[in-house]
Amino acid sequence: DTGVSQNPRHKITKRGQNVTFRCDPISEHNRLYWYRQTLGQGPEFLTYFQNEAQLEKSRLLSDRFSAERPKGSFSTLEIQRTEQGDSAMYLCASSLGEGLEQYFGPGTRLTVT
Amino acid sequence: KQEVTQIPAALSVPEGENLVLNCSFTDSAIYNLQWFRQDPGKGLTSLLLIQSSQREQTSGRLNASLDKSSGRSTLYIAASQPGDSATYLCAVPPNTGNQFYFGTGTSLTVIP
Repeated sequence: DTGVSQNPRHKITKRGQNVTFRCDPISEHNRLYWYRQTLGQGPEFLTYFQNEAQLEKSRLLSDRFSAERPKGSFSTLEIQRTEQGDSAMYLCASSLGEGLEQYFGPGTRLTVT
Repeated sequence: KQEVTQIPAALSVPEGENLVLNCSFTDSAIYNLQWFRQDPGKGLTSLLLIQSSQREQTSGRLNASLDKSSGRSTLYIAASQPGDSATYLCAVPPNTGNQFYFGTGTSLTVIP
């Protein structure tokens, strides 16, 4: 499989719990992006990595959110002390470089009860 | 901040019709423009990417145009099919190309 993969596809958690999502980009892509999408809206940028370096974070990414990309391969997005407002689809994308075509994974749908 | 608007928000057409989806953006200093398709509950599938120096890009029954100076792009779908039913999103990165600003999408329904 040469596409972007994300796990898990669905996550239901109780408010206050921590959750972690994983994204595996296309192997030769050095850029990796995280987005959040709520119902009826377009995706909103959260953060991106150039190889292992996290180069930009959106104001949407509160202190409860942390993302890593060890060794410049897969990436994880952790949300601590989840709130109901965190319920959304979390999308990962990768690209070969700046401004180039982004390829998206299937997303992880988070529901916080 | 870049604002991306897509009109109409929803569109319903009979099978076989040709149709046009519109995307407008407020800051013409863009790196490129990408059109995506999204099926309900799924991720995004890239359809076409137009570089800022290009005016048009074609793939099969799809044709996308870009007018940077007026801040507009259109996606033309020829001979629509029920399988084209989905939400269509346009996205633009700024000149730094670090992220994409998305519109809210056009939800297309093609009636058999």
